[in-house]
Amino acid sequence: KQEVTQIPAALSVPEGENLVLNCSFTDSAIYNLQWFRQDPGKGLTSLLLIQSSQREQTSGRLNASLDKSSGRSTLYIAASQPGDSATYLCAVGGYSTLTFGKGTMLLVSP
Amino acid sequence: GAVVSQHPSWVICKSGTSVKIECRSLDFQATTMFWYRQFPKQSLMLMATSNEGSKATYEQGVEKDKFLINHASLTLSTLTVTSAHPEDSSFYICSASNTESRGYTFGSGTRLTVV
Repeated sequence: KQEVTQIPAALSVPEGENLVLNCSFTDSAIYNLQWFRQDPGKGLTSLLLIQSSQREQTSGRLNASLDKSSGRSTLYIAASQPGDSATYLCAVGGYSTLTFGKGTMLLVSP
Repeated sequence: GAVVSQHPSWVICKSGTSVKIECRSLDFQATTMFWYRQFPKQSLMLMATSNEGSKATYEQGVEKDKFLINHASLTLSTLTVTSAHPEDSSFYICSASNTESRGYTFGSGTRLTVV
C-alpha cells in the first residue's frame, strides 16, 4: 500500500524567501506525481504534474522534481509571496489511484 | 484546460434527509471519477471510484448503501449521502482522470453540514 509523507507539516516564512516542500513515497512503481494547492474550504488546484518518466516540471516560480528510485519529490517555490499561503498537497498516482500526503500548510507573511 | 464543476459548493441539511452532490467534467470526457472526503486539517481520503456505466468501487470502510454513486454519463457522476447524520458532515471533493494530460482534475468541493 502506497504511503505518502510530507515534511514539514507547517511552514512560516517572510515574503521573498525561497522554500522547499518535501514529499516522500514508499512504492516507487508510480505513474505520476502531482502537486496541488488547497486554500481553506476550497477544492484542489493542480500546480504541477510530473510523469514517471520525467525528472522535473516548472511553472513560473514553481519547480517540482521527482526521484522515483529514492521515492522523493520536492516542490521549490521561488521568491515567495503572501498569496502563496495555502496548503500544498503531494499526490502519487498509481494505475487508477491517487494517494495523498497530509499536506504542508504554508504561511508567507508580508 | 480541463475543468471539473462540482455542485453545490455548500449544503446544510437536517439529520435523516438525503443530499445529492454533482460532479461534471466540462470540457473532457471522464470515464473514471473519484470521490473523496476530507475532515478538518486532514488529507483527502478516497471513498470510491466510479466508472461510467458500471457500479462504483468503494474503499474499505465506506458504506455503499449510505453513499450512493451514479456515473451515468461520461461527464457526470453523482454522490448521494442517504439518511445523513451529523457525523457525515465533511468536505466532499470529486475528481476526474484526464486521459489527455494523464493527471487528475478536481472539483471545488462541497461542504456538507448535517444538523
